[in-house]
Amino acid sequence: GQQVMQIPQYQHVQEGEDFTTYCNSSTTLSNIQWYKQRPGGHPVFLIQLVKSGEVKKQKRLTFQFGEAKKNSSLHITATQTTDVGTYFCAGPLRGAQKLVFGQGTRLTINP
Amino acid sequence: EPEVTQTPSHQVTQMGQEVILRCVPISNHLYFYWYRQILGQKVEFLVSFYNNEISEKSEIFDDQFSVERPDGSNFTLKIRSTKLEDSAMYFCASSPQGGRGQPQHFGDGTRLSIL
Repeated sequence: GQQVMQIPQYQHVQEGEDFTTYCNSSTTLSNIQWYKQRPGGHPVFLIQLVKSGEVKKQKRLTFQFGEAKKNSSLHITATQTTDVGTYFCAGPLRGAQKLVFGQGTRLTINP
Repeated sequence: EPEVTQTPSHQVTQMGQEVILRCVPISNHLYFYWYRQILGQKVEFLVSFYNNEISEKSEIFDDQFSVERPDGSNFTLKIRSTKLEDSAMYFCASSPQGGRGQPQHFGDGTRLSIL
């Protein structure tokens, strides 16, 4: 079945350093979504990318969707302690509503 | 901002007992979902619901599970005879329109602990 893989599983950085997480799908996606889950919290929708090669920015966060629509990345510039959490990518199963989530990248930050 | 609300926040149940998890999706949303997340693991799809019927379900969603929308606001997940491996965080989500995986709004979750 369709799989969505994320690396790394864990990332620990010093505050102010950059952070990147990568997402790869076994199949072409109609769109890719990114969610953030704070410790003890629920997934919160961040952004959706639809077009091949699309790049979107939200302040210090930059999201990319690959040309083949099978991979994506999230890059955070100059991390802050408020960025702590697990970042999940998720893609819809072909022709379906359900989302297939990656395993997530857990970001911890040393202040 | 409208929210998905879930009750209870924590449910402790003896193995073999029935449990009902409750959700109130965002009022103008049409698609409803249940996901579960075992501690430290990824979010796993269970079931989606539209127009008063199940539209999709995963292999996790076996005969022990059922969903219902008993009135215009609530959306429930029932586990008939709980097992130890059902212990997880259960998230309800809703979206205003479905098809091709629209962004979903998640509730705070119910932590289910099976003893």
